[in-house]
Amino acid sequence: EAQVTQNPRYLITVTGKKLTVTCSQNMNHEYMSWYRQDPGLGLRQIYYSMNVEVTDKGDVPEGYKVSRKEKRNFPLILESPSPNQTSLYFCASSSARAQAYEQYFGPGTRLTVT
Amino acid sequence: TQLLEQSPQFLSIQEGENLTVYCNSSSVFSSLQWYRQEPGEGPVLLVTVVTGGEVKKLKRLTFQFGDARKDSSLHITAAQPGDTGLYLCLFSGNTGKLIFGQGTTLQVKP
Repeated sequence: EAQVTQNPRYLITVTGKKLTVTCSQNMNHEYMSWYRQDPGLGLRQIYYSMNVEVTDKGDVPEGYKVSRKEKRNFPLILESPSPNQTSLYFCASSSARAQAYEQYFGPGTRLTVT
Repeated sequence: TQLLEQSPQFLSIQEGENLTVYCNSSSVFSSLQWYRQEPGEGPVLLVTVVTGGEVKKLKRLTFQFGDARKDSSLHITAAQPGDTGLYLCLFSGNTGKLIFGQGTTLQVKP
């Protein structure tokens, strides 16, 4: 089954404790992206990657890091999480042959930073 | 930060009514996508429009991309409770940077 998986689905952590949210896709997609979703703000792009070893900042990259060492994986790293990073996070992927980067989304990771 | 203006933010209607959701931007984009999201899940693509003036229909949903490629609308005819959800527009250019609207929460009451 074609899918994007994220782990963990739920995470409660404390300020300053480094964490990684994993994202993996099995569709051989070149493009992958991370978003955060907050009430009234829609989805905002954090980072995206056009292919292996190629990453770029989205609209809200501060406080986040990413890496793309393999085509299928695109982990999101929070080196020192803060309460304002409490949010619902989505990973998505898209084929480079897609007309307009049509996004296939993962199920989401709900992060709470206390 | 570029933002899309999506309106209305909330819509509560009775089954059988029609509704329209709008997405506007001051910038020109290559394409426009509409997604629907249900609670606890990721958004799911409904349609992509790439040509200015393009109109696409998906059963009771009609999507339009403005002539100048700066705005779009989603019209639902005879809404049903199953249409309840969060509707999101997404503009994309050629760089890979994607911009979502704030979303429209639709509730259709039986």
